Amino acid sequence: QLVLTQSPSASASLGASVKLTCTLSSGHSSYGIAWHQQQPEKGPRYLMKVNSDGSHNRGDGIPDRFSGSSSGAERYLTISSLQSEDEADYYCQTWATGIQVFGGGTKVTVL
Amino acid sequence: QVQLVESGGGLVKPGGSLRLSCAASGFTFSDYYMSWIRQAPGKGLEWVSDMSSNTAYVNYADSVKGRFAISRDNAKNSLYLQMNSLRAEDTAVYYCARRHDSTRGIDYWGQGTLVSVSS
Repeated sequence: QLVLTQSPSASASLGASVKLTCTLSSGHSSYGIAWHQQQPEKGPRYLMKVNSDGSHNRGDGIPDRFSGSSSGAERYLTISSLQSEDEADYYCQTWATGIQVFGGGTKVTVL
Repeated sequence: QVQLVESGGGLVKPGGSLRLSCAASGFTFSDYYMSWIRQAPGKGLEWVSDMSSNTAYVNYADSVKGRFAISRDNAKNSLYLQMNSLRAEDTAVYYCARRHDSTRGIDYWGQGTLVSVSS
């Protein structure tokens, strides 16, 4: 079964970096994923796609403070130079024939 | 610029029906897969349904299969979701979203429309 697992929360200080993890279920370590940001009271926004080789493609207008990487079944989103507007929920998403799956989301708090 | 604007949400009684619409602009609608995603109050994102660009491929989450129907009108740049036999657990913000194709995830989202199912 295709499942994505995310830690519920993460925090870091203003100007620092934070690295979020999204783990693919067993047998699915070759899958790419997408990262999405949801600021409070807003709809989600696409950030980037991260491939199994670690390559990533940011969406339109996404600053290069946001980067992606991979290791085995884990996919990462690193946010550098944290800003107050980065305080949000972050969701990973993947897909297979006939289905799309979202992780449970990680709430990022900027201290 | 890409825009997706949902409409049609509202309050409906359990067992009732509702039809959501999504008006797309800023891209060639007929070239893209389209999806509906929902988010219950205080919860995470849940995929609901997909339709391919030419309507040949349609998929539904098990939670809505047999009750919801996705459709599109490429001439009107519009996506629809017919929701029947609504339940309290269908209460959510419903988002329209774009995908390049079945090998990629979502790359644009609408702002959402709220559906509340309550007596």
